[in-house]
Amino acid sequence: DVKVTQSSRYLVKRTGEKVFLECVQDMDHENMFWYRQDPGLGLRLIYFSYDVKMKEKGDIPEGYSVSREKKERFSLILESASTNQTSMYLCASSFDRITGELFFGEGSRLTVL
Amino acid sequence: DAKTTQPPSMDCAEGRAANLPCNHSTISGNEYVYWYRQIHSQGPQYIIHGLKNNETNEMASLIITEDRKSSTLILPHATLRDTAVYYCIVRGSNFGNEKLTFGTGTRLTIIP
Repeated sequence: DVKVTQSSRYLVKRTGEKVFLECVQDMDHENMFWYRQDPGLGLRLIYFSYDVKMKEKGDIPEGYSVSREKKERFSLILESASTNQTSMYLCASSFDRITGELFFGEGSRLTVL
Repeated sequence: DAKTTQPPSMDCAEGRAANLPCNHSTISGNEYVYWYRQIHSQGPQYIIHGLKNNETNEMASLIITEDRKSSTLILPHATLRDTAVYYCIVRGSNFGNEKLTFGTGTRLTIIP
């Protein structure tokens, strides 16, 4: 079974802090994704990556950056956290660009005070 | 741009078939219909997808109308564990058009 592991289930940070959300997948998938989920807004794509060291902006990239130094790991970075970035963050991976079958992690709930 | 329309909520009695509708009237010829579900406090889970023909797997069946403007996800014998938010998504198959865009879905509640 594919496993997508997110480093923290719950985080509390202060405004202005730098935040790292880590995601690791164990199935050698090419693609990895970061979404955020907010009530009434569904899931929104922040960034995705089709290969190591490659990244593409999703629908809401502002205030975020990503890093993919190794195939299995995709990190989401909040350079200076703000209260409007309080949200549930979901990482996903897929085998390649053809398939639409994504495997999601359990999510990381971030609260920015 | 909302590519799909789903009812916000539905109830279904345990043991009965749950039929979840989805409208996608602007779907284009190379776009697939995907269904995911999200159980409370978990990440979304892939269920099934299709292009034109009806599809069935161990979780569900997908019925796509002939004009492809709508589809129905069928859970044949709903259990309490099927209570979740169900997302219907239209996705292209060409590079550059293959992102999955999740809407707000249908909240399905299975009633004992």
